[in-house]
Amino acid sequence: AQSVTQLDSHVSVSEGTPVLLRCNYSSSYSPSLFWYVQHPNKGLQLLLKYTSAATLVKGINGFEAEFKKSETSFHLTKPSAHMSDAAEYFCVVSDYGGSQGNLIFGKGTKLSVKP
Amino acid sequence: GAGVSQSPSNKVTEKGKDVELRCDPISGHTALYWYRQSLGQGLEFLIYFQGNSAPDKSGLPSDRFSAERTGGSVSTLTIQRTQQEDSAVYLCASSPSTGELFFGEGSRLTVL
Repeated sequence: AQSVTQLDSHVSVSEGTPVLLRCNYSSSYSPSLFWYVQHPNKGLQLLLKYTSAATLVKGINGFEAEFKKSETSFHLTKPSAHMSDAAEYFCVVSDYGGSQGNLIFGKGTKLSVKP
Repeated sequence: GAGVSQSPSNKVTEKGKDVELRCDPISGHTALYWYRQSLGQGLEFLIYFQGNSAPDKSGLPSDRFSAERTGGSVSTLTIQRTQQEDSAVYLCASSPSTGELFFGEGSRLTVL
């Protein structure tokens, strides 16, 4: 079965410094992977997705993620954090033919940005 | 509107009452998901509809929970005999089957 692990439940950075949110997955297939962001009291919004094209994926708001098959990782990065990036981030792996509607969510990483 | 619409946005009810939560997905999206998010927690999968296939109900926590999707469009999540532990935000998402989900802003349920 597929699974996804977000290695940090909480990450705190200063404004203007780099952001790294870590995600590891397990998959028997060639997976599709997604990062979603949830601002307080809002629904989730897609940041970016990997679907077996380029391994470096660029998303909205300056975020990007690199698919590394050898490391089974899909870490989310941003060169310079902004206060508006403070939110919860979810890594998601597809589970084609599996349960939960074919999508497995990580438990989330809360990103805090200090002025 | 063009997005996923959920109603009500907030619902306060008394323990033991039934509640209905509604989701209007994006037109043409064949897949529809319901998730529950308790305070400070991640997303808990509840149920998944895909086209005319039988729904995947594997995430429903008890038989007090049910959902239907009429005409492949609007979905209603019903919770019978609500309990305090049902208090949460209920999120609906639809998808054009590419795996990308489009979420509503959720229905916040408070059971007193």
